[in-house]
Amino acid sequence: GENVEQHPSTLSVQEGDSAVIKCTYSDSASNYFPWYKQELGKGPQLIIDIRSNVGEKKDQRIAVTLNKTAKHFSLHITETQPEDSAVYFCAASYRSGGSYIPTFGRGTSLIVHP
Amino acid sequence: ETGVTQTPRHLVMGMTNKKSLKCEQHLGHNAMYWYKQSAKKPLELMFVYSLEERVENNSVPSRFSPECPNSSHLFLHLHTLQPEDSALYLCASSQESGQPQHFGDGTRLSIL
Repeated sequence: GENVEQHPSTLSVQEGDSAVIKCTYSDSASNYFPWYKQELGKGPQLIIDIRSNVGEKKDQRIAVTLNKTAKHFSLHITETQPEDSAVYFCAASYRSGGSYIPTFGRGTSLIVHP
Repeated sequence: ETGVTQTPRHLVMGMTNKKSLKCEQHLGHNAMYWYKQSAKKPLELMFVYSLEERVENNSVPSRFSPECPNSSHLFLHLHTLQPEDSALYLCASSQESGQPQHFGDGTRLSIL
């Protein structure tokens, strides 16, 4: 199976600063790496994802990088805003039979101070 | 409107009760998932239904029983639960397995 480690568990930044969250995975067969944002009282919501044939992907203030050799991937948020405050989860999916099985990290609580 | 609706939002039950959690998706997806979310722990995948194939996490106790009558509906039947089963239970769906998942807002389950 897969093992995903996520760091840090808590990240506190000032509005306008950048935030970086890092994840490592163990199964080199994993090929799909999504990031989810979870706000209080809500389910996780996909914010960006990357597949193993791509090294970097960007969507406005959010970017994800993937290093397959080192088996780690990172979420970068620039120009943080208070509404970015939430818990962020990374995940890695490996194939089991005909299905892809996602394994999640423990989450990072991001706090953006105005 | 998330497209994935879970009911009830909150459930309190005794250890001897039988109840069911319901999930419905209106996104035309072919894969559906149950997760358990406990404080200080990673999201734990419990079951996956994808193209009539069921994949289950072998660590999930038999007191949890899933049912997927069609691609739009998913149930989690609960029987003789333990206090440690108290958690947020999340349902998700995706177009196919390995595609981005859309989550519901969960059912907060408390076992007395």
